[in-house]
Amino acid sequence: AQKITQTQPGMFVQEKEAVTLDCTYDTSDPSYGLFWYKQPSSGEMIFLIYQGSYDQQNATEGRYSLNFQKARKSANLVISASQLGDSAMYFCAMRGRTGGFKTIFGAGTRLFVKA
Amino acid sequence: NAGVTQTPKFRVLKTGQSMTLLCAQDMNHEYMYWYRQDPGMGLRLIHYSVGEGTTAKGEVPDGYNVSRLKKQNFLLGLESAAPSQTSVYFCASSYLGQGKSEAFFGQGTRLTVV
Repeated sequence: AQKITQTQPGMFVQEKEAVTLDCTYDTSDPSYGLFWYKQPSSGEMIFLIYQGSYDQQNATEGRYSLNFQKARKSANLVISASQLGDSAMYFCAMRGRTGGFKTIFGAGTRLFVKA
Repeated sequence: NAGVTQTPKFRVLKTGQSMTLLCAQDMNHEYMYWYRQDPGMGLRLIHYSVGEGTTAKGEVPDGYNVSRLKKQNFLLGLESAAPSQTSVYFCASSYLGQGKSEAFFGQGTRLTVV
């Protein structure tokens, strides 16, 4: 069975500093995709970044990067130069063949950016 | 450029009442999903569909039914609502298969069962 674990219910970071949000996953699929989504207080779900299991390099999208460690089954999100607007819930998600390509989510981490 | 549209956005039901949530997507996606979001539990998959006329159970399917009669629509039904079904419901859609196929979400439906 596939599973996503986010062990940090809440995180604080000072504005302009970097922060790492943890995500570990469990799957027996040789090929899978990992995603991060942001949910601000307004409630919408915003796709941030994608990492394929066979990608040789860690994914980056602007201030977001994904620290992918395949052997450890971790896919941590790194946000550089935090901004007040980064305060939100962040969800890690996974999609793989064994799960019928359905997308499953972790419990989320609430990030608070302090001025 | 509508994307994924959910209706209604808010609803209050009495215990035992029934209702249907409608999800429509205009991106020709094969996959469609219904999730519920509860505090501290993230998004849990209720049911999903891999194409027109198909449905499958997710993590928390009990008390819900779904139908996908048309590719662009995915309906979630509550036959006899219970207070435990008070939640925020999200519909999403994505392309079929592997690779970067992120889910596109609707705005959510806040359902309260009293």
